[in-house]
Amino acid sequence: AQSVTQPDIHITVSEGASLELRCNYSYGATPYLFWYVQSPGQGLQLLLKYFSGDTLVQGIKGFEAEFKRSQSSFNLRKPSVHWSDAAEYFCAVGAATGYSTLTFGKGTMLLVSP
Amino acid sequence: DTAVSQTPKYLVTQMGNDKSIKCEQNLGHDTMYWYKQDSKKFLKIMFSYNNKELIINETVPNRFSPKSPDKAHLNLHINSLELGDSAVYFCASRNRAETEAFFGQGTRLTVV
Repeated sequence: AQSVTQPDIHITVSEGASLELRCNYSYGATPYLFWYVQSPGQGLQLLLKYFSGDTLVQGIKGFEAEFKRSQSSFNLRKPSVHWSDAAEYFCAVGAATGYSTLTFGKGTMLLVSP
Repeated sequence: DTAVSQTPKYLVTQMGNDKSIKCEQNLGHDTMYWYKQDSKKFLKIMFSYNNKELIINETVPNRFSPKSPDKAHLNLHINSLELGDSAVYFCASRNRAETEAFFGQGTRLTVV
């Protein structure tokens, strides 16, 4: 069975500081990995995805993530956080084939301090 | 021109009532899903439909009955609502040829 672990329930970062949100996955085959963001009262928006090729993927809003197979990780990074980045971030794993659903981590709440 | 739209956005109802949530996608996707997000923000798959056929039915009480009249719509009907059904329900769609799922804005269901 596939699973995703986001070890940090919440993280506080100063505005302008760098950010790294951790994600570890368990999946029997080559995983397809995603990061979604959820602003308060909103739906989920895709930040970026990885399914093959370059292990460093770029997403929207200046986010990037690096796939490390040896560590079963897909950590999300941003060099300089803006106050508008405060939100809940979800890592998810799935497959492109068949009717695979996405399995989500429990999310990390990002708080941005002035 | 919203990609995945759900109605209503908010739903407050009493225990024991029956209610429905509607979902429509205009992306031409083959597969649609219902996810439940609990009070701790945990997202869990409930159902998956492909071309109007039920593909995945996780351990969900049979009070929950999804219906897909066509591949662009997936509605969720809930009978005999209970307090524990209070949550945010998200509809999503995905194409088998692509990878990411597109989510609706969610329906916040409150059972009182």
